[in-house]
Amino acid sequence: AQKVTQAQTEISVVEKEDVTLDCVYETRDTTYYLFWYKQPPSGELVFLIRRNSFDEQNEISGRYSWNFQKSTSSFNFTITASQVVDSAVYFCALSEVNTGNQFYFGTGTSLTVIP
Amino acid sequence: NAGVTQTPKFRILKIGQSMTLQCAQDMNHNYMYWYRQDPGMGLKLIYYSVGAGITDKGEVPNGYNVSRSTTEDFPLRLELAAPSQTSVYFCASSYDRYANYGYTFGSGTRLTVV
Repeated sequence: AQKVTQAQTEISVVEKEDVTLDCVYETRDTTYYLFWYKQPPSGELVFLIRRNSFDEQNEISGRYSWNFQKSTSSFNFTITASQVVDSAVYFCALSEVNTGNQFYFGTGTSLTVIP
Repeated sequence: NAGVTQTPKFRILKIGQSMTLQCAQDMNHNYMYWYRQDPGMGLKLIYYSVGAGITDKGEVPNGYNVSRSTTEDFPLRLELAAPSQTSVYFCASSYDRYANYGYTFGSGTRLTVV
């Protein structure tokens, strides 16, 4: 079973639109960590955020915001006023305390921001 | 501060050949990982290491071997390359077990087996 599901394979938006990338996870652990990574066309993986399972506060960092809801097992990522530089593949990942030696990555959402 | 350095960036192998993908980090991280990324897929863990001399299998270890003789280096060995091993390989490291600050990834090695 897929532990991290990113149902949106590809999204295209016009510059300055807001866009939300969905992430749904599955775990039986009570303690776990959720991550988002960005993979721009150059191919490297860039760490964006880490959240632990006990902190459901939403987080905002500039144009980026994250909504963590344990009730729906979701950790969604919103980009406000998107820019062309936001074009990338975005991965959501889960790390469980009991198997903390690896991440479970989703299959990624490819975001294209059209100028 | 170089972070995680992977070499080579690109490589074409013939079926049956062997090669070693190099990975080095200069952050004194104990935890190191090898992932592969297939087109349209997320990353799959191949092997990981929790410190020098300690390695363990991940989700997709078949066809690969690793060693960790020093804290800095974590090479990945492909024996008898097969077309199914065509992928992009990422090495990563983390300070602690739960990657409190996320992984630091290398820039990747794009491998094609023909």
